[in-house]
Amino acid sequence: EVVLTQSPATLSLSPGERVTLSCRASQNVYSNYLAWYRQKPGQAPRLLIFGASYRAPDTPDRFSGSGSGTHFTLTINRLEPEDFAVYYCHQYGGPPPEATFGQGTRVEI
Amino acid sequence: EVQLLQSGGGLLQPGGSLRLSCVASGFIFSDWAMSWVRQSPGKGLEWVATISNTGDSTYFADSVKGRFTISRDNSKNTLYMELSNLRAEDTAMYFCAKDITPTGWRTQFDYWGQGTQVTVAS
Repeated sequence: EVVLTQSPATLSLSPGERVTLSCRASQNVYSNYLAWYRQKPGQAPRLLIFGASYRAPDTPDRFSGSGSGTHFTLTINRLEPEDFAVYYCHQYGGPPPEATFGQGTRVEI
Repeated sequence: EVQLLQSGGGLLQPGGSLRLSCVASGFIFSDWAMSWVRQSPGKGLEWVATISNTGDSTYFADSVKGRFTISRDNSKNTLYMELSNLRAEDTAMYFCAKDITPTGWRTQFDYWGQGTQVTVAS
C-alpha cells in the first residue's frame, strides 16, 4: 500500500499569503497519478489538481501542483477566504483498492 | 451541471443493514465508473468501493469486503451501496463520487455527492 504523509498537519496563515503543502509517498506514485482536493467544513471534497500538476476545470490559477515520484506539493498563491479548509492528496496509480489518501493538512486563519 | 444527489443513511444498531443511493445528472452516467468514499468523524478520507460503468467489475476496501455491495442502475442514473452487518467503525459520512474512467482504474474523483451520514450505535 502506498502511504501518503501530508505535512504540516495544520498551518495558520492570513489571507493574501502564499502557502506550499507537502505530500510524500512511501513509494513511487505510478505515472504521477496524484490529485489534490480541498474540503471546506460541512462540504464534500472538491478536485483541484490531478496528474500532479493539471488544474481541474474551474480551479483558480492561484492553485498549482508539482512534484513527481514520491514528493508532491500544492502551492496556493494569495490565499482567499474560501481557501481556509482541509487539503487532501490522493494517489490513484493502480487498481481501485490500491488508491489511498493522505491524512490532510488544515489551513486555518 | 453535474449533480450527485445522495439519500439514505441514518442511525442503526450494530449488525443492521442500510442502502445508500446516489442519483446522477448532468453527464452520461453509463460512461463512467462510480465510487463511494467515507469520512469518519474528524478523520480523513477512505475509499470504500468502486463499480465500473457497466457494473461488470466491482472493488471493495478490505474493511468492508463481504459486508457491503455496490451496484448501479444505468437506466435510472443511480448508484447504490448496500451496507450490512454494520459495525461501530462504519460510522462515517459517505460520499458518492464520479470517476473519470469507465473502469475505475487509475482515476481521480471529479465530482462528489453532498454526503450522507451513517451512524452505527447501540
